[in-house]
This record gives sequence, C-alpha cells and structure tokens, in this order.
Amino acid sequence: QKEVEQDPGPLSVPEGAIVSLNCTYSNSAFQYFMWYRQYSRKGPELLMYTYSSGNKEDGRFTAQVDKSSKYISLFIRDSQPSDSATYLCGMSEDSNYQLIWGAGTKLIIKP
Amino acid sequence: DTAVSQTPKYLVTQMGNDKSIKCEQNLGHDTMYWYKQDSKKFLKIMFSYNNKELIINETVPNRFSPKSPDKAHLNLHINSLELGDSAVYFCASSPLRGAGELFFGEGSRLTVL
Repeated sequence: QKEVEQDPGPLSVPEGAIVSLNCTYSNSAFQYFMWYRQYSRKGPELLMYTYSSGNKEDGRFTAQVDKSSKYISLFIRDSQPSDSATYLCGMSEDSNYQLIWGAGTKLIIKP
Repeated sequence: DTAVSQTPKYLVTQMGNDKSIKCEQNLGHDTMYWYKQDSKKFLKIMFSYNNKELIINETVPNRFSPKSPDKAHLNLHINSLELGDSAVYFCASSPLRGAGELFFGEGSRLTVL
C-alpha cells in the first residue's frame, strides 16, 4: 500500500461544476498538506498549503484536512476550462522532511 | 525573470550516451532538488542539496550524479543512458530544508532511443 493514494482520473466535469479532488494517506504523523497544480508541459506550482486539520479557502479553492479519517480534499467552485490540469497532493510529517506525493489527478473541465 | 530555469528543455539521445541538465534559481533559496516524473505523472525525489551540501540521495543508480557549484545552481549528469531513464526531470528550490513551498522549473524532457 502506498503512503499516499490519489485517483489518477481523468476526471471530466462541465464548466461551472463543483470539483472535489481527494487523497488518502496511511501515516498519521503527517501534519503538512499541500496541493500543487501542474499544467501540461509545465512544472507543478503550489496552490494550497495547510497545516494540521481544518479548512483553508482561497478564492474558488478550498482545502480540507480530516486527520481522523486520514483524508484531504481540494474543492474547486465554479470550475473553469483554465482549471484543466493535473492536481498533485503532497504531505509531510515535519517542515524539515520531504514531501510524500500522490500520483496526481488529471482534471478536465469541458466548456 | 524566471525563478527556476532549467536547460535544456528537451533532450533526445541514444542509449549509452552521457547527458547533463543544468538548473539555476534566482530566488535566494538554500535548498534545491532534482525530481523525476514518469509518464504516469508520479513525482519521485532523486536528490536534495542544502547550501551546496547533499542532504537527500534517494535510491538512484549511480549513473546519476548531481553537482552543486553554489547554492543557486544544481546540475545533473547522467552516464550510460538507458531506455528507462526517459522521463521529465524537474529542478526545484525551496526556502526551507524540507516541506516548505517548492518552486519548480519547467522540466527537461529526456527521451532515450
């Protein structure tokens, strides 16, 4: 079993829909949780960064962490074709430790 | 002005050849990384340097040799290229030693024929 599981998709939704992307993990010591977005033929870029449990909102994006279920989510409201990309989750026990990555979910927003 | 820049962006080469990829960051970060991303988009860390010191050296064939002449530069040399080395190689930098925000370059796409 991988430490971080993420459905590779692709996930295809119509423009304007609410998108839910998820990762599950096995290591209860993870405290730092990140979502990166990667456009085709580009490097990943940080989208959301949360520490411990709870929610964080930034515009149309909301990151949720449920440590009791070992589950993190990224919600995208009012999805746009420009949101089409691969979304990677990454997590770590400590800020001095390396990120453990999910496999990435390919998201397609249809106009 | 590009924050993390890698050259070349594309390499196509024959098995058995040697190739190098260069990376430079102008963010003033102390930590730099090499990641390998396979065709399924899985990111695998290869090496990490903090202030020119090698701090992470994952299970990577010793045909791969990183070199950091200063904290703004991290190069990757690959000897005796194999078909399985075909991938996209990303350089990244971070202000922290570990799981801080990573700033990635655009990647170097290596194809071994």
